[in-house]
Amino acid sequence: EAGVAQSPRYKIIEKRQSVAFWCNPISGHATLYWYQQILGQGPKLLIQFQNNGVVDDSQLPKDRFSAERLKGVDSTLKIQPAKLEDSAVYLCASSSVGRRSSYEQYFGPGTRLTVT
Amino acid sequence: GNSVTQMEGPVTLSEEAFLTINCTYTATGYPSLFWYVQYPGEGLQLLLKATKADDKGSNKGFEATYRKETTSFHLEKGSVQVSDSAVYFCALRGSSNTGKLIFGQGTTLQVKP
Repeated sequence: EAGVAQSPRYKIIEKRQSVAFWCNPISGHATLYWYQQILGQGPKLLIQFQNNGVVDDSQLPKDRFSAERLKGVDSTLKIQPAKLEDSAVYLCASSSVGRRSSYEQYFGPGTRLTVT
Repeated sequence: GNSVTQMEGPVTLSEEAFLTINCTYTATGYPSLFWYVQYPGEGLQLLLKATKADDKGSNKGFEATYRKETTSFHLEKGSVQVSDSAVYFCALRGSSNTGKLIFGQGTTLQVKP
């Protein structure tokens, strides 16, 4: 079974530029998560999708971040314009829907963003 | 709100030493608790989990027991190997949502031969 795919793996941009990340979850997984992991910290949830609907985006900085999940499969996360403090690893994870105890999340390798 | 606190690292041990990484949590209700591991250059992997009080999660020689009375979920291993060198994250999933994980800050473990 293929895992969660993310691209690109690395991205360097200047502040005020825009950037987009792509995630392809495990086939059949209805729930998709985007986390932000700043160096030295644990991942923090930015947005959670169930199929193509948003479940939780309470910690997404909506003035600059946006995300979509078309057709309930792939997802893109965009930052526009980027700030220095957006430098982080952006992790995508997916899980299947079922009994609450089976909501195991599988993580992709992440995209490391550096904003200069 | 819910939160997770881990002991600060880095933790440096010699091979075959005993490992404990402390994790405490704050949560309402009955959360599920997890340990994730991140090996150098790789993504987060689930190491073990416990979904109710007094449950013990175990995998690859690692163990953690869900202690509701002390709100703790300490990670232990009796004899570490160089290959265990990684960053370990304690996390919880609240009892009132469908999946969101709240992570601690991570503890770096370095095992020397």
